[in-house]
Amino acid sequence: QSALTQPASVSGSPGQSITISCTGTRTDVGGYNYVSWYQQHPGKAPKLIIHDVTIRPSGVSNRFSGSKSGNTASLTISGLQAEDEADYYCTSYTTSIYVIFGGGTKLTVL
Amino acid sequence: QVQLQESGPGLVKPSQTLSLTCSVSGGSISSGDSYWSWIRQPPGKGLEFIGYISYSGNTYYKPSFKSRLSISADTSKNHFSLKLTSVTAADTAVYYCVRAVDGGWFDPWGQGTLVTVSS
Repeated sequence: QSALTQPASVSGSPGQSITISCTGTRTDVGGYNYVSWYQQHPGKAPKLIIHDVTIRPSGVSNRFSGSKSGNTASLTISGLQAEDEADYYCTSYTTSIYVIFGGGTKLTVL
Repeated sequence: QVQLQESGPGLVKPSQTLSLTCSVSGGSISSGDSYWSWIRQPPGKGLEFIGYISYSGNTYYKPSFKSRLSISADTSKNHFSLKLTSVTAADTAVYYCVRAVDGGWFDPWGQGTLVTVSS
């Protein structure tokens, strides 16, 4: 099973909003409301920022939001800040191999 | 607050067995609805799920690892372990231990440990 498809890179200026897409199939993203997103700074472990498509864990900034339409999930970061520069990964539950990851997106804050 | 910490050799020779342990504090690995997982990340690459052992002792291994992988738990020590046999350079990665919950989301993560496969 191939990885979920994410753009390799996105960029934005401070204060702007950006959206990262995560495209799968009806057997993963489209079939379940079990998409999660992780933020990873260089040399650090990933950090959960969204689970179950839209739910933000306690302590995560409300500038991060998630959504899903069909086989594509999206992470939106509003009011972009320098500290948001990181790699972002999506995952989805799938019955075939439990979970599948996206390839990751590098966010650059200009 | 649950915390996880990986430990094990940082260097393994090709064809040998990679062994790592994850010590869990702040919660019991026998607690309901937790799936104690391993995820790896080759240098400069993305994340890959390896497998888990559940709170009840059931295991799941990603099919591509199934023939070489074993995940076990020691409830008396509150830790779980990974053994990956017949390693090659392709198994060089940062290995993370992580708690998963129903729905397949992962939190919290250990800090990760780099394992290099080289002679």
